[in-house]
Amino acid sequence: GNSVTQMEGPVTLSEEAFLTINCTYTATGYPSLFWYVQYPGEGLQLLLKATKADDKGSNKGFEATYRKETTSFHLEKGSVQVSDSAVYFCALRKSGGTSYGKLTFGQGTILTVHP
Amino acid sequence: NAGVMQNPRHLVRRRGQEARLRCSPMKGHSHVYWYRQLPEEGLKFMVYLQKENIIDESGMPKERFSAEFPKEGPSILRIQQVVRGDSAAYFCASSSGQGRDEQYFGPGTRLTVT
Repeated sequence: GNSVTQMEGPVTLSEEAFLTINCTYTATGYPSLFWYVQYPGEGLQLLLKATKADDKGSNKGFEATYRKETTSFHLEKGSVQVSDSAVYFCALRKSGGTSYGKLTFGQGTILTVHP
Repeated sequence: NAGVMQNPRHLVRRRGQEARLRCSPMKGHSHVYWYRQLPEEGLKFMVYLQKENIIDESGMPKERFSAEFPKEGPSILRIQQVVRGDSAAYFCASSSGQGRDEQYFGPGTRLTVT
């Protein structure tokens, strides 16, 4: 079946540090890949997505590239801010058939950024 | 344009009671997904509904859990005879269609069973 594995957290960084959160997936075919962010007390917000191999999703300084050869979708940001402190979820979605668009999530990575 | 609404935000139930969680999708959305987030885990799919129909309930526990999305009103996730293991955050997401359409998440209902 489909699965998503994220790097273990929590991750603690100083402001302006470089961020990488690793994400690998297992799925047949060509799933779409997503990063969601969850701020304290809130629901998940879509951060970025990629729908085919070699696509790069980007938003708010975050980037992730869909690498089919390594089945990965690592999240990166060149300079984090305190306001980036949140939980980050990697997810995949199979389209068509009996998948019905449901999302499969990784376990989440807690990011804390200190001033 | 209001987003996805969930209520209550926090719910406390004693073992054996019933829990009812409500989800009002975004305006114009007729597709609802429910996910459960157990402590220290990611979100797990539970059920996918369209108006008046359950399309995929492959993630729902076989007993005590049910869901509906009536023609009028919110989607309801119902848990009968709750146990401590049901304590979790329950999120719903709505979309305008299945497949490629983005899912918009509500703030979640945090259920605590004492």
